Amino acid sequence: GAVVSQHPSRVICKSGTSVKIECRSLDFQATTMFWYRQFPKQSLMLMATSNEGSKATYEQGVEKDKFLINHASLTLSTLTVTSAHPEDSSFYICSARDPGTADTEAFFGQGTRLTVV
Amino acid sequence: GDSVTQMEGPVTLSEEAFLTINCTYTATGYPSLFWYVQYPGEGLQLLLKATKADDKGSNKGFEATYRKETTSFHLEKGSVQVSDSAVYFCALSEKKGAQKLVFGQGTRLTINP
Repeated sequence: GAVVSQHPSRVICKSGTSVKIECRSLDFQATTMFWYRQFPKQSLMLMATSNEGSKATYEQGVEKDKFLINHASLTLSTLTVTSAHPEDSSFYICSARDPGTADTEAFFGQGTRLTVV
Repeated sequence: GDSVTQMEGPVTLSEEAFLTINCTYTATGYPSLFWYVQYPGEGLQLLLKATKADDKGSNKGFEATYRKETTSFHLEKGSVQVSDSAVYFCALSEKKGAQKLVFGQGTRLTINP
């Protein structure tokens, strides 16, 4: 199946700094990617839909100025957590669909564990 | 809006036991339904799916049938193994638009030898 690669898998940063997470579709072009956040022992909450060449669509309650999303190419979307605080510590996961198939399956990256100290 | 409700965990079973994880959904249209599995420290992997009523998804001994009349998509396996220990997520996706996934809360499954 299609492969989505997320980097880094783990990152520790200091409060007030910014962290960038990359999500790449390795063998297909993804016009749309999704960013999720997962709290410990909880489900995945959709943060935003990343659209290639246009602005991301954020879910209600997600601060767009804090979680900057850029989808500059058909194989790369980035999530930047700006001015990170300890409450931003979480597991962030991206996903993408392969528009070249009729399948509705979404492929997920391996996730990024962010710890803000 | 659309939503998915799963049975709460954690669920602990012995090896070779029968497994059922309940999942029900609410949706305005006729969504596609999925079960995803998450192993410790990893992202999600698709386990199985069904795209229309009465479809049965199956993979690795797991099965789930799309029941429109009861709006359910329960996950079953006849004989679980220790390697099945993971968190299982039921999810739906509308067939039109952005097709974003809506997840249930997840069920942590532990299989003891």
